[in-house]
Amino acid sequence: SQQGEEDPQALSIQEGENATMNCSYKTSINNLQWYRQNSGRGLVHLILIRSNEREKHSGRLRVTLDTSKKSSSLLITASRAADTASYFCATDARSRLTFGEGTQLTVNP
Amino acid sequence: DTAVSQTPKYLVTQMGNDKSIKCEQNLGHDTMYWYKQDSKKFLKIMFSYNNKELIINETVPNRFSPKSPDKAHLNLHINSLELGDSAVYFCASSQAGNGYTFGSGTRLTVV
Repeated sequence: SQQGEEDPQALSIQEGENATMNCSYKTSINNLQWYRQNSGRGLVHLILIRSNEREKHSGRLRVTLDTSKKSSSLLITASRAADTASYFCATDARSRLTFGEGTQLTVNP
Repeated sequence: DTAVSQTPKYLVTQMGNDKSIKCEQNLGHDTMYWYKQDSKKFLKIMFSYNNKELIINETVPNRFSPKSPDKAHLNLHINSLELGDSAVYFCASSQAGNGYTFGSGTRLTVV
């Protein structure tokens, strides 16, 4: 069964606005990761948060993890048109990454 | 230098044919993977190798056979291709506890 579920499935915002994507999962994890995929391209690792961490920052990205609720969020601040892509959360458990369905983010200039 | 490179990028072939996809990583990672991404962008793990040993075989048909000649290479051979095999196949590598590095994908179209 699918481990991660993300919402929203699609998000359209204006440049400069913030974008928030949420991810829920079902089992215990070692860490949770977020990836970006531009259309027709491979996945790019954005950020990893370990199960004993609650928040992590990387540039314009902020990730939170709530293991009691089995949920995570990715915040992209001051979005740019170049942020337009699909964003996936992935849980690391049992020696594998299991991906959510992804959120398609569109940032309009 | 490309960290994880897979070839070919595109593959169009007829039903029933046999084809291979090659993957190489120059990151020194111990673990390599094959993932399949379907038309709805859902990514599912197929295989995982750690130092040339198979550690994950995720209910993939026997027509799919991975081979890892050394820890830097993981190839995927597919026999008797079917229409439903059409997808994008991604190779990836990782070192324990860290993020994965993905290749740019191989778009397989079976006609």
